[in-house]
Amino acid sequence: DADVTQTPRNRITKTGKRIMLECSQTKGHDRMYWYRQDPGLGLRLIYYSFDVKDINKGEISDGYSVSRQAQAKFSLSLESAIPNQTALYFCATSDFRGIGEQFFGPGTRLTVL
Amino acid sequence: GNSVTQMEGPVTLSEEAFLTINCTYTATGYPSLFWYVQYPGEGLQLLLKATKADDKGSNKGFEATYRKETTSFHLEKGSVQVSDSAVYFCALSEEMNYGGSQGNLIFGKGTKLSVKP
Repeated sequence: DADVTQTPRNRITKTGKRIMLECSQTKGHDRMYWYRQDPGLGLRLIYYSFDVKDINKGEISDGYSVSRQAQAKFSLSLESAIPNQTALYFCATSDFRGIGEQFFGPGTRLTVL
Repeated sequence: GNSVTQMEGPVTLSEEAFLTINCTYTATGYPSLFWYVQYPGEGLQLLLKATKADDKGSNKGFEATYRKETTSFHLEKGSVQVSDSAVYFCALSEEMNYGGSQGNLIFGKGTKLSVKP
């Protein structure tokens, strides 16, 4: 079974809709991250959480919000989706005792029409 | 601030050719360095890592050496295969200002490798 799972894997939605992407992990890690990947831009950090009560904005947090429901769950919400939020979204985890290595989920491909 | 610069792609090679993907970094402190690989339609997987100067990370025939004097972590493979076709990302782990623990990853923009039979 995958250690980091993301749902849904693919989603098509319309401008203005609210959408939630979910991430779950069984690695027991305290740290979780949300990234966005666009062609030619690499990965950009949206939000990160070092534990359930610690949530921080990343490089591109505008238009997004997150919720850390438990150590194992970290959700990303788009309150009112817009077309330029069309991208591939990745969740990742890491262990605070480690060297910073992150473990990635399979990604969610989001299309906003 | 911390940053990672890697060679732009795409890179197209014939099978069994030698591969080098350049990566240089700017960082304060002593970051750990990583190469991640993303196969088509998949998430990122850790390929190799190094935690201090002169460390050599290796995996699946790929190697990279942490060169502090040149702030580089170039990825090499002696003989590529079609199955190595993927996007490769260089990354560094920022050192936190407190406690010495590692913080977020800073990624390069990725280099797409295509290997032809």
